[in-house]
Amino acid sequence: GAVVSQHPSWVICKSGTSVKIECRSLDFQATTMFWYRQFPKQSLMLMATSNEGSKATYEQGVEKDKFLINHASLTLSTLTVTSAHPEDSSFYICSISVAGEEWNEQFFGPGTRLTVL
Amino acid sequence: AQSVSQHNHHVILSEAASLELGCNYSYGGTVNLFWYVQYPGQHLQLLLKYFSGDPLVKGIKGFEAEFIKSKFSFNLRKPSVQWSDTAEYFCAVNAGDYKLSFGAGTTVTVRA
Repeated sequence: GAVVSQHPSWVICKSGTSVKIECRSLDFQATTMFWYRQFPKQSLMLMATSNEGSKATYEQGVEKDKFLINHASLTLSTLTVTSAHPEDSSFYICSISVAGEEWNEQFFGPGTRLTVL
Repeated sequence: AQSVSQHNHHVILSEAASLELGCNYSYGGTVNLFWYVQYPGQHLQLLLKYFSGDPLVKGIKGFEAEFIKSKFSFNLRKPSVQWSDTAEYFCAVNAGDYKLSFGAGTTVTVRA
């Protein structure tokens, strides 16, 4: 399967600052990447679909101006949490979509834990 | 909107015990079903998937799942667990588009 990395693995920041999270596909060219967030003891919630060379598609209720997504290359997508607040503290996970016979399988990164003080 | 329910939040069992994790979904159309596992400190990995055909699907590491359409269920089973099966297990549903809807997850702790 595909290998996906995320950087950083964890980050602590002050309220009001911006934080950038990187998602890299190490061995596949990823036209499509996904960004999820996961609160403790809850399921992964899809935030947005990141498409290389075009604007991201955000899920209902996700503020696109707060969660900026850039997918400038086939191996890198970034999520920037702008003016972060404590309620943005969460586990952020990315995945890449790899075309298969029946399904475009998703391969997940290890996640980034964001803590906003 | 589709939703996925996992009945057990935390399951604790001994090695060699049998495991069954429940998953129900709410969606009336055709669905693709998945179970993912997340071992401590690792990323989500696909255990098994169901698209069509035999409703009993076998995955990696001795896991299997049964799709029961009438019950909107896709329960995961393993006849005899090992300590290394300690992990978080997520059921997920896809309803024809590219998106996955996940359940809340079940933490499985296997005691040696």
